[in-house]
Parts: sequence; structure tokens; C-alpha cells
Amino acid sequence: DTAVSQTPKYLVTQMGNDKSIKCEQNLGHDTMYWYKQDSKKFLKIMFSYNNKELIINETVPNRFSPKSPDKAHLNLHINSLELGDSAVYFCASSRTINQPQHFGDGTRLSIL
Amino acid sequence: KNEVEQSPQNLTAQEGEFITINCSYSVGISALHWLQQHPGGGIVSLFMLSSGKKKHGRLIATINIQEKHSSLHITASHPRDSAVYICAVRPIQGAQKLVFGQGTRLTINP
Repeated sequence: DTAVSQTPKYLVTQMGNDKSIKCEQNLGHDTMYWYKQDSKKFLKIMFSYNNKELIINETVPNRFSPKSPDKAHLNLHINSLELGDSAVYFCASSRTINQPQHFGDGTRLSIL
Repeated sequence: KNEVEQSPQNLTAQEGEFITINCSYSVGISALHWLQQHPGGGIVSLFMLSSGKKKHGRLIATINIQEKHSSLHITASHPRDSAVYICAVRPIQGAQKLVFGQGTRLTINP
């Protein structure tokens, strides 16, 4: 009965590979987000979708592509992984854009 | 300088002490959030407020919009309160994204 679940929890891969992180929420929320938390623990928004439509697209390399097949899912695909992509990626959702956000447990991505 | 500054960055206290964590911001906002990040990494939303004060159990959050300042208080602190506490604001300009502070690492010793 996890509210926001993201998989995998850990992802270790080599530079240059392509990988995906999946996120699903069973809260019936309209809005979903991807955040990146760097080594200094700062959280920064990457993308947000509202009812499957992209509403926030921060200055993120276009190697990162979000995909929302339906409003319960927001997946993050990353092409040509680089060392600087190592971070913890959090998915979150909220009922609407101005409501409290519920976070997944994070995916720790390590690039070798 | 970040739009959201928290103080202190690190705080160590004894069990039972009253804890205050501060958050100052430099932009007009529509709401402020307090989040808790557990040692295991999970993030929980504690409060969302736009004025006044909110209380949940031993946690109290206050905000002064005119002074652009918020505080998070913990009464009768307990070792399980040890976590990173993060302040985030929703600016009125570009109102669709949260801007986060750097977090305050709180350690409560038994």
C-alpha cells in the first residue's frame, strides 16, 4: 500500500549507459515531480507533470527525458549517463500543484 | 546566495530539549513547506503554511510573512527526531516550483 513507489532503489551502472527510473503513485494525485538531490543534499526540481502534461522543465540536460503514460506514472529515462549524474533522484506527487507533496524513497544512482 | 537560508546547518541537543530551526527567504511566496528527511533517506512533508502557526503533535511551525521568516519548533525532543529538516518555499513568481533550503541536520542524543 505504498503511496509513491519508485524503482529501483539503487542503480549502479557505467558511464555512457542508458537507464530508466520508474515512479508510480496510488494516491489519485494529479501532479507528479522528479527531484535531484546532490552530494550536498540540495533538492532541486527537474520536471513536473500535471495530468500527464509537462508543466515544469528546469534547466536539465536533454539526456534526461520524463515520460508520463498516465497520471499515476512518471518515469525518468537518462541517456548517455555521466559521472555528474550520480545523485539521489526523488519522485513525488501532490493532489494539485499547490498541495503538500508525498515523496518516494529515492533512487540512488551511482555512475562508475 | 540561495533564496532560502536555514539556520543552524547542524544542531546537536540532548533528549528533552526544546528545538528551534529557522528559515529565511528573500522572495514573495504563496506557501512554505517544512520537510523531514530521515537518516535512511526518505522524505516526509511535515507542514505547509502560508500564515500564522500550525501544530502537529510535538511539532510547531510558524511563519511571519512580513519578515520573510519561518521557524520549526520541536518540544520534548527525542532521539527519533534526529533527521534533516528542510524548508522549501513556493515563490509567487514562477509559482509552480518549490525552492529548497540546504537543510538543518538535527541530532538528539539520549
